[in-house]
Amino acid sequence: DQQVKQNSPSLSVQEGRISILNCDYTNSMFDYFLWYKKYPAEGPTFLISISSIKDKNEDGRFTVFLNKSAKHLSLHIVPSQPGDSAVYFCAATDSWGKLQFGAGTQVVVTP
Amino acid sequence: DGGITQSPKYLFRKEGQNVTLSCEQNLNHDAMYWYRQDPGQGLRLIYYSQIVNDFQKGDIAEGYSVSREKKESFPLTVTSAQKNPTAFYLCASSWGGNEETQYFGPGTRLLVL
Repeated sequence: DQQVKQNSPSLSVQEGRISILNCDYTNSMFDYFLWYKKYPAEGPTFLISISSIKDKNEDGRFTVFLNKSAKHLSLHIVPSQPGDSAVYFCAATDSWGKLQFGAGTQVVVTP
Repeated sequence: DGGITQSPKYLFRKEGQNVTLSCEQNLNHDAMYWYRQDPGQGLRLIYYSQIVNDFQKGDIAEGYSVSREKKESFPLTVTSAQKNPTAFYLCASSWGGNEETQYFGPGTRLLVL
């Protein structure tokens, strides 16, 4: 039973526009959430995270929003750039480092 | 130059053969993890180790084995009992503790001949 869900397998966005990636979770005990970015044939790289005590965290072009009541988080990328084309994984944890990952969303940034 | 290394990049396994995937880190991290990625699926946890000489099964441990004899090394053996071993295998490490960011190696793609 998948506890972290990314219901959009792919997203296409024009360069310069906003990319919005969504993630839903079912386990109310999750208290820390992360986004990873992955290029083909490479390991994921950490992008941004948020603790459950916050509802927003911003790092440059990347902002993560957390809505605990809806068990929903989103990643905003503004403005989108061609190098942002990758698979983005949402992850969550409620214990010592044991992450649960979503299935990923493939982002394609077009010129 | 700190990081996590995995070798080989590609690995071929014959039917009935055990193969071992290497994972080494020089980040002085206590915790290490093995994940498997299949097309259209997220990363699934195979095994993890929070400290040397100790490890726990993840969500899909059947057909796999690990050891953690040294802090910097966490090899994964894919045994002949694993009936569908073709996948991309990722090793990760972290300091250990709550609110933890894991750092991933480049991955090993295992193919069955």
